[in-house]
Amino acid sequence: EDQVTQSPEALRLQEGESSSLNCSYTVSGLRGLFWYRQDPGKGPEFLFTLYSAGEEKEKERLKATLTKKESFLHITAPKPEDSATYLCAVLGNFNKFYFGSGTKLNVKP
Amino acid sequence: DSGVTQTPKHLITATGQRVTLRCSPRSGDLSVYWYQQSLDQGLQFLIQYYNGEERAKGNILERFSAQQFPDLHSELNLSSLELGDSALYFCASSVGSGWETQYFGPGTRLLVL
Repeated sequence: EDQVTQSPEALRLQEGESSSLNCSYTVSGLRGLFWYRQDPGKGPEFLFTLYSAGEEKEKERLKATLTKKESFLHITAPKPEDSATYLCAVLGNFNKFYFGSGTKLNVKP
Repeated sequence: DSGVTQTPKHLITATGQRVTLRCSPRSGDLSVYWYQQSLDQGLQFLIQYYNGEERAKGNILERFSAQQFPDLHSELNLSSLELGDSALYFCASSVGSGWETQYFGPGTRLLVL
């Protein structure tokens, strides 16, 4: 069964304390893995797309990596404005598209 | 601001009723996607349209239907509403049909009483 699991559900960090969020997936024929950021009451905001194992992408304090079974979103020296829910989504065969339940990140100053 | 607009922002209705949600994609985007976000089920893909044609279907109930018009705006129709349909409904758009970068609208919050 296709599944996307994100961990942890919630993460509290001090400003400057680096950490990683995990997205593990089982899907038939991965065509893409997507990371989004969502602020309360707003629509998700696109961050990255990864297509194949070994691929990495970076944007400011964020770096996304992909293996055959999971993806990590590394946050380096986070700031309070990085506080949000981070969502992972996967696209499989036959346009099957699934979001994970998200990791709620809270960065304290 | 993503450039995707959705109306209305909020909608309160009763069980058994029918509502229509509207989405205007970013200028130049041909694909529109609809999503439902609820506390218990998270964000779920409902349906995708590309240049007026249905392209992909997710967990869309038979009571729900959508269409994309020649001017590329899209409408999501929800009928025989139940309490469990209360959720945030998002529309997203992208340039092509290949699930590349999607830009999400601000959402319509539906409350069924």
